[in-house]
Amino acid sequence: AQSVTQLDSQVPVFEEAPVELRCNYSSSVSVYLFWYVQYPNQGLQLLLKYLSGSTLVESINGFEAEFNKSQTSFHLRKPSVHISDTAEYFCAVSDRKGGSEKLVFGKGTKLTVNP
Amino acid sequence: KAGVTQTPRYLIKTRGQQVTLSCSPISGHRSVSWYQQTPGQGLQFLFEYFSETQRNKGNFPGRFSGRQFSNSRSEMNVSTLELGDSALYLCASRPGPGTGELFFGEGSRLTVL
Repeated sequence: AQSVTQLDSQVPVFEEAPVELRCNYSSSVSVYLFWYVQYPNQGLQLLLKYLSGSTLVESINGFEAEFNKSQTSFHLRKPSVHISDTAEYFCAVSDRKGGSEKLVFGKGTKLTVNP
Repeated sequence: KAGVTQTPRYLIKTRGQQVTLSCSPISGHRSVSWYQQTPGQGLQFLFEYFSETQRNKGNFPGRFSGRQFSNSRSEMNVSTLELGDSALYLCASRPGPGTGELFFGEGSRLTVL
């Protein structure tokens, strides 16, 4: 079964600083990877996904993640964060079985951006 | 296009009661999944439904059940509630099983007293 490890439960940073949220997954022949964001009292929103192709994927709000097969990692980065990026971020891997697919999530990383 | 709609958003129950949560997927989406989110266990997969059939089930006791209707709307039921069932229950939809990303609703927050 697939598994995901998010190495940091909490990451505090100052506004306009760069940030990296780390994610490692268990190895598999092929893998789909996702980053979701959750703001307080809300559901999960997809930030970006890796299905195939280019190993660097980007979101519309400045985040990017790089799929590294040799290190089984999918770290999320942003060169300059804003107060509004304060949220919890979840890395997920798809686990496919018998035509069905579920997401296996990491425990989440709480990003706090301070002024 | 309307997103995934979950009702109720908040509810309080007592131990031993049962609860039913409802989920309306995005129009055209036929696959609905349910996840439980707790501070201790994080996000855990409950089940997935497609074409009114349960396609996959997570590691939860039989007190947790679900169903899907012909219009793709889904309900989940938890019987004989326990304190540990207090959680945010998230519903997600996608066009079909194995089609990649899930679109989540805002969740139903259940508190068991």
